[in-house]
Amino acid sequence: EDKVVQSPLSLVVHEGDTVTLNCSYEVTNFRSLLWYKQEKKAPTFLFMLTSSGIEKKSGRLSSILDKKELFSILNITATQTGDSAVYLCAVVPSGGTSYGKLTFGQGTILTVHP
Amino acid sequence: SAVISQKPSRDICQRGTSLTIQCQVDSQVTMMFWYRQQPGQSLTLIATANQGSEATYESGFVIDKFPISRPNLTFSTLTVSNMSPEDSSIYLCSVGTGSNQPQHFGDGTRLSIL
Repeated sequence: EDKVVQSPLSLVVHEGDTVTLNCSYEVTNFRSLLWYKQEKKAPTFLFMLTSSGIEKKSGRLSSILDKKELFSILNITATQTGDSAVYLCAVVPSGGTSYGKLTFGQGTILTVHP
Repeated sequence: SAVISQKPSRDICQRGTSLTIQCQVDSQVTMMFWYRQQPGQSLTLIATANQGSEATYESGFVIDKFPISRPNLTFSTLTVSNMSPEDSSIYLCSVGTGSNQPQHFGDGTRLSIL
């Protein structure tokens, strides 16, 4: 059974801090890893990672995948109160009957204080 | 990415009743999924909505409780039947256009059962 573990489960920081969120996974046939931000109900897509060692960046957010060690990190620099949310990591298996199905981690609750 | 409309946005229902949630996409998509997020928990896949055929349910979810329809490539419904307080959750539809593209989520339906 595919498994995704995120750490820490919650994190409280002040504006301007840099945070690193972790995601480790076990999946039978790995295709990709996704990061989402969930503020109210709908998760919004952040990054899709398929190759090791290639950093993806979007503004103050960046992410990288290590397929040998089976983990990914999401970095947020110069945090703002608007970054407060639940950050979800999910893995996508390749092919077969699991095609397209996402397995999610528990999420990391990030709270950024002014 | 596709625009996904989900409704209702929220509802409060009496136990024993049923509610149908709709998911409409503004373009044809290959994959449509339904997820449940119980309070304080991460997302769990309920089923894959298959166009023109019966949905594929995950372990722990059955058609009698969560009947799903997908009459075409842009629309799906999830019914939560004979509701009990344990069904109080956020229900989310997601869509995918291919294995190399991320899934995107609808706005979600927050369901409370009294």
